[in-house]
Amino acid sequence: EADIYQTPRYLVIGTGKKITLECSQTMGHDKMYWYQQDPGMELHLIHYSYGVNSTEKGDLSSESTVSRIRTEHFPLTLESARPSHTSQYLCASSDRVVTYEQYFGPGTRLTVT
Amino acid sequence: GNSVTQMEGPVTLSEEAFLTINCTYTATGYPSLFWYVQYPGEGLQLLLKATKADDKGSNKGFEATYRKETTSFHLEKGSVQVSDSAVYFCALREGGQNFVFGPGTRLSVLP
Repeated sequence: EADIYQTPRYLVIGTGKKITLECSQTMGHDKMYWYQQDPGMELHLIHYSYGVNSTEKGDLSSESTVSRIRTEHFPLTLESARPSHTSQYLCASSDRVVTYEQYFGPGTRLTVT
Repeated sequence: GNSVTQMEGPVTLSEEAFLTINCTYTATGYPSLFWYVQYPGEGLQLLLKATKADDKGSNKGFEATYRKETTSFHLEKGSVQVSDSAVYFCALREGGQNFVFGPGTRLSVLP
């Protein structure tokens, strides 16, 4: 069973607020990812990291930022939330070489009013 | 670039019906192929995978065979249950590159 955690699971906030979505994994995986999932279900990669102090932008442009100071922790921050940021955010991690598959957290459903 | 195409949903079946969800891919090399499942309110879970041509992945009664000649990885189950209602994602990964996911297919199984 995957050991990857996301908090909060649900968040409703007002426009203009700064928020941080937390993601942690206990599997020692090097690579971590953030996906945005739209109501049509499709996944869009917005950020990823190869390891500590590595962050890269994904395929979908996002106003969010990420950091990777510790292997197990990969938080996502929105400096000023807007209604267009309302979405499901999924964090994932993978072993860089051996198993290839990604392990996903349960997701954070964000609503910006 | 690499891409994954899945049959559009939603797919609605009666319990004990046969399921096929089509998946085709485009890749420059020899990718590994995956099926993930997402139950309501949860993240994605790996359902099965295949790492080379002609491999068959199987789990929980689901099967998919890596067909290089048709660049396909169709998901099948002989008898679906209500508990199989979920969204199914086909995906590929080539070497150290990022995953490429299909758009997802929603399955509803009626009792």
